[in-house]
Amino acid sequence: EVQLVASGGGLVQPGGSLRLSCAASGLTFSSYNMNWVRQAPGKGLEWVSYISSSSDIIYYVDSVKGRFTISRDNAKNSLYLQMNSLRTEDTAVYYCAKTTVLAFDIWGQGTMVTVSS
Amino acid sequence: QTVVTQEPSFSVSPGGTVTLTCGLSSGSVSSSYYPSWYQQTPGQAPRTLIYSTNTRSSGVPDRFSGSILGNKAALTITGAQADDESDYYCVLYMGSGIWVFGGGTKLTVL
Repeated sequence: EVQLVASGGGLVQPGGSLRLSCAASGLTFSSYNMNWVRQAPGKGLEWVSYISSSSDIIYYVDSVKGRFTISRDNAKNSLYLQMNSLRTEDTAVYYCAKTTVLAFDIWGQGTMVTVSS
Repeated sequence: QTVVTQEPSFSVSPGGTVTLTCGLSSGSVSSSYYPSWYQQTPGQAPRTLIYSTNTRSSGVPDRFSGSILGNKAALTITGAQADDESDYYCVLYMGSGIWVFGGGTKLTVL
């Protein structure tokens, strides 16, 4: 069974940092492009970042550029999101999601990030 | 700023057919935007229904179908069931590595 398990969320003060992880199993992780998608409380989904299978292509939504860094370790079947200079508006559930044909087909269960003083 | 538009809410009777749409604030949606659709119930991760306009994701029943209707992408649910009551999101690939989600449609089955 293909599974993505996100972790690393928590409560952090504005201006702080957090590193999210997403552990993949049941698939050849190194073959697939991956994403982070977030959802603020009571709001809709927002795509955050994309990384290609070999890490050579990376994209970010404008609101996180210069603050967030996506990365992966194919040897560890893991995806990461380093989040710096966090703002209250970054408060959300963060989902990792596998890419297929320019869409998202497998989703992790999400990890909650709360930015508050 | 490109906005992807969806109906905020919709209702359908059990057994009925409903079509949800996904448009652009400026311009038309075509297959080149690779529209995809997701179902989400409260507290759960999204579930992929349709990608690449009309390809059903694994395990999705054929009463869910995707298409382009006029200048919008569309998700049609035929024979609506009580457990179809969910939030539905579309997302469009805008090119240059950018995906934009619509605001979502809250579907009520009653």
